[in-house]
Amino acid sequence: GAVVSQHPSRVICKSGTSVKIECRSLDFQATTMFWYRQFPKQSLMLMATSNEGSKATYEQGVEKDKFLINHASLTLSTLTVTSAHPEDSSFYICSGRIASDTEAFFGQGTRLTVV
Amino acid sequence: GNSVTQMEGPVTLSEEAFLTINCTYTATGYPSLFWYVQYPGEGLQLLLKATKADDKGSNKGFEATYRKETTSFHLEKGSVQVSDSAVYFCALNTGGFKTIFGAGTRLFVKA
Repeated sequence: GAVVSQHPSRVICKSGTSVKIECRSLDFQATTMFWYRQFPKQSLMLMATSNEGSKATYEQGVEKDKFLINHASLTLSTLTVTSAHPEDSSFYICSGRIASDTEAFFGQGTRLTVV
Repeated sequence: GNSVTQMEGPVTLSEEAFLTINCTYTATGYPSLFWYVQYPGEGLQLLLKATKADDKGSNKGFEATYRKETTSFHLEKGSVQVSDSAVYFCALNTGGFKTIFGAGTRLFVKA
């Protein structure tokens, strides 16, 4: 299957700083990528849909100024958590799809800890 | 709207036991159905899929059959192993890019 690479896998940052998470599709072009947040022992919560060359579409309740998404190329989407707080600590996962009727391919996830 | 409901966990089984994780869905049109598996600290991996009614997806001893009449896609495995311990997510897609996930079912397999 297609490969999505997410980096870093783990990051610890101080409160008030910003953290950038990268999501790359290695062997396919993803015009659309998705960012999810997963709380312990819970399902994935879709945060936003990242569209190449245009603004991301955020789900209700997700602060777009706090979770900045950039999708500058067909193979790279980034999520920046700005002014991080301890409550932003979570597992963040990205995914991409080759076409609208195929399965989603997921990155390995990023464990963010804000101290 | 579209939704996926799967049985609550955790499910605890002994090695070599039979596994069933129930999944039902609500969707307009004819969705594609998926099972994903998440091992501790990792992202999701596609386990199997079915794209139309009566299709059976299978992989690594797991299988699930797309039942349109009961709107179900139950996951089964005849003999589980300790290495199958993970969280399993049922999901659907109706042709748009969004994937709708169930809440996930955690499976523990004891030796």
